[in-house]
Amino acid sequence: GAVVSQHPSWVICKSGTSVKIECRSLDFQATTMFWYRQFPKQSLMLMATSNEGSKATYEQGVEKDKFLINHASLTLSTLTVTSAHPEDSSFYICSALDSSSYNSPLHFGNGTRLTVT
Amino acid sequence: GENVEQHPSTLSVQEGDSAVIKCTYSDSASNYFPWYKQELGKRPQLIIDIRSNVGEKKDQRIAVTLNKTAKHFSLHITETQPEDSAVYFCAPDAMDSSYKLIFGSGTRLLVRP
Repeated sequence: GAVVSQHPSWVICKSGTSVKIECRSLDFQATTMFWYRQFPKQSLMLMATSNEGSKATYEQGVEKDKFLINHASLTLSTLTVTSAHPEDSSFYICSALDSSSYNSPLHFGNGTRLTVT
Repeated sequence: GENVEQHPSTLSVQEGDSAVIKCTYSDSASNYFPWYKQELGKRPQLIIDIRSNVGEKKDQRIAVTLNKTAKHFSLHITETQPEDSAVYFCAPDAMDSSYKLIFGSGTRLLVRP
């Protein structure tokens, strides 16, 4: 089955530094990927839609200058949390759309747990 | 934008009983209606999905029903087992076939052995 690899699975960083999270589709091309954030005991909140070769579309309230998204190839999207602060500590999850598949075309990565100290 | 409401927020059932979770949405253009199961610290796993041209879909103990007129769809789990205990999310897409999923607030299901 289709696999989405998300890396790293967890990361601890100091306040003020930047962290990059990778989302890679391993056996299909993903022109569209989605980034979500999930705080403890809460739902997944959509942050942005990442489209290959174009600028990401951010949801209302998400700072595009803080959460940089790059979708430079059909198999890779990256999310960079810039100048991280403790309130950015969360579980970040990507999903990739396999548009060649009609049945269950969305595939989630395993998530990245970010802790900012 | 799409508004999604999910009920109940918690559900406790005896093993073997049935569980029903309901999701209402606001965008009439939504076309894809999945249900996800998430265990602590893990990614959400798709358990069943349905599209707007179908009213009901069943996969063994799990079923989903859709009422597009009333804008709600429900997850039905029969013969519940302790391993069904998890958080369940509905996540209708925000617009026709966009697959831009908007997650409900989640239902914590506890199946008591």
